[in-house]
Amino acid sequence: AQSVTQPDIHITVSEGASLELRCNYSYGATPYLFWYVQSPGQGLQLLLKYFSGDTLVQGIKGFEAEFKRSQSSFNLRKPSVHWSDAAEYFCAVSSNTGKLIFGQGTTLQVKP
Amino acid sequence: DGGITQSPKYLFRKEGQNVTLSCEQNLNHDAMYWYRQDPGQGLRLIYYSQIVNDFQKGDIAEGYSVSREKKESFPLTVTSAQKNPTAFYLCASSSTLGLYNEQFFGPGTRLTVL
Repeated sequence: AQSVTQPDIHITVSEGASLELRCNYSYGATPYLFWYVQSPGQGLQLLLKYFSGDTLVQGIKGFEAEFKRSQSSFNLRKPSVHWSDAAEYFCAVSSNTGKLIFGQGTTLQVKP
Repeated sequence: DGGITQSPKYLFRKEGQNVTLSCEQNLNHDAMYWYRQDPGQGLRLIYYSQIVNDFQKGDIAEGYSVSREKKESFPLTVTSAQKNPTAFYLCASSSTLGLYNEQFFGPGTRLTVL
């Protein structure tokens, strides 16, 4: 069965520091992968997606993610975190039935 | 602006009451979804609909019902059979139901049972 694991429930980084949020997936075929961000009490906003091609994808707000098939990973990165990046981040994979399967989420806290 | 609206933003329900959460989209999307979000549990799919007058159960459909009479509307009813309905509910839509399934989300409704 398809699944998504985000190993880190909570991460704290200092403003200006780099960020990497981990995502591992389990999927038999070519995965279609997404990262979403959710501010407190709000809906989810798509940061970026991977369907095929270049394994390094660029998204909004300065985020990027790298697809590594050998490691079944799709980690999200940002070179310099801003206080406004504090939010919850969800990785998701599109299943063979067309539904999205979400990870449990990682809460990012940014220290001034 | 195209998007998804959900109302109300906050909803309070007494035990034993049914309540209906509204979801409207003007993106001309065929597929719509309802998710439930609880702290530390990510998003769980309640119901989804690929087309008007058709919908399917998701992973946690018990105690919920939906209808899809119009393309732009997908209301969710939380019935008294739902034992623990206090949660944050998110509605989403996508152009179709498929692998390239980029979903767009509404702002959510927080339901509290008193």
